[in-house]
Amino acid sequence: ELKVEQNPLFLSMQEGKNYTIYCNYSTTSDRLYWYRQDPGKSLESLFVLLSNGAVKQEGRLMASLDTKARLSTLHITAAVHDLSATYFCAALPYSGGSNYKLTFGKGTLLTVNP
Amino acid sequence: DVKVTQSSRYLVKRTGEKVFLECVQDMDHENMFWYRQDPGLGLRLIYFSYDVKMKEKGDIPEGYSVSREKKERFSLILESASTNQTSMYLCASSPLLAANTGELFFGEGSRLTVL
Repeated sequence: ELKVEQNPLFLSMQEGKNYTIYCNYSTTSDRLYWYRQDPGKSLESLFVLLSNGAVKQEGRLMASLDTKARLSTLHITAAVHDLSATYFCAALPYSGGSNYKLTFGKGTLLTVNP
Repeated sequence: DVKVTQSSRYLVKRTGEKVFLECVQDMDHENMFWYRQDPGLGLRLIYFSYDVKMKEKGDIPEGYSVSREKKERFSLILESASTNQTSMYLCASSPLLAANTGELFFGEGSRLTVL
């Protein structure tokens, strides 16, 4: 059974600082997803990482995937208040086929303070 | 843009009532999912469906059932609501994995309170 662990679960940081959120998963997976959720809102897709070594960047966020280490990271550069949200990673068990279910981590609540 | 619409944003029901949560997607996606989200527990999969009239149990199916009579619509049913089913319910859809990234598209969520 695939398990996904994120850390930290809570992150309070100052504007302008850098930080990394870690996502570990327990069994082989070749697809990793990052989502953002604002308070009271639904989940919005940020990144889809489809292979070992994949790196994607959007603004101040950069995500990477190391399938050998079963680790994905979400790096925040020079944080701003607008990045305050809950961030989820999710992994897809490697099984092939067209039917599947993602397993989500518990989420990281990020608060960026002035 | 993909649009996943959940019929009710907020519901208040009494213990023992039958509850229907409706979800409609407009992108002809094969896969549809129901998750519940609780503080500290993240998202947990209740049921998913990969075709009309097809369904599979997720991680926490007890106390729930689903219906998918049309491709665009996926309903979650609580036969007899209980207070421990108070939660945020999220519907999602996605196309077939083989030709796509596997990314899920979520609705806005339905917050259910059972008194």
